[in-house]
Amino acid sequence: QKEVEQNSGPLSVPEGAIASLNCTYSDRGSQSFFWYRQYSGKSPELIMFIYSNGDKEDGRFTAQLNKASQYVSLLIRDSQPSDSATYLCAVNTRSNTGKLIFGQGTTLQVKP
Amino acid sequence: DAGVIQSPRHEVTEMGQEVTLRCKPISGHNSLFWYRQTMMRGLELLIYFNNNVPIDDSGMPEDRFSAKMPNASFSTLKIQPSEPRDSAVYFCASSLTGSGNTIYFGEGSWLTVV
Repeated sequence: QKEVEQNSGPLSVPEGAIASLNCTYSDRGSQSFFWYRQYSGKSPELIMFIYSNGDKEDGRFTAQLNKASQYVSLLIRDSQPSDSATYLCAVNTRSNTGKLIFGQGTTLQVKP
Repeated sequence: DAGVIQSPRHEVTEMGQEVTLRCKPISGHNSLFWYRQTMMRGLELLIYFNNNVPIDDSGMPEDRFSAKMPNASFSTLKIQPSEPRDSAVYFCASSLTGSGNTIYFGEGSWLTVV
């Protein structure tokens, strides 16, 4: 079992719709969770992080964490074509040393 | 404020040659990470340093790979000898431990071994 799993997609949504990206992780002791966005040919850039169960909102983005189910998700409201990218879920390991393990990423396509 | 700086941005080399990738982390950051990204395997952590000391090198593929961090502002990842399967994008990233462990990536070094 991979430590961090994501559906590779592509996930295709129409412009203006809500995109829902999901991630599961295997280490129940993981402490912090991150979503990075990566445009083709570019480096990953941080979108959001979440530490506590529940929702965390930042503009059009909402991160959701459920530690009991070992599940973290990212919702993008009012999706725009510029949101088309690969979204990487990353999990901080139990040791909390800063070591992040990344999922394979989900490719999102927002169609005008 | 300057981000993580990597060089070279692109390198094409012949199999068997030595490759050295360089990284300057964000000033003040005390953790540095080397990741490798390929289509097949995604983003893999190769090694990370904390306060210039290698903490976990379990992701280093084999003895052909080595990494050093002689001081807080410089790190190298060396591949000797290089092989075609080493072709990938190599990212350096840095963070400040205790700041939520958010890591920031450089622009990557695109390596092609022919």
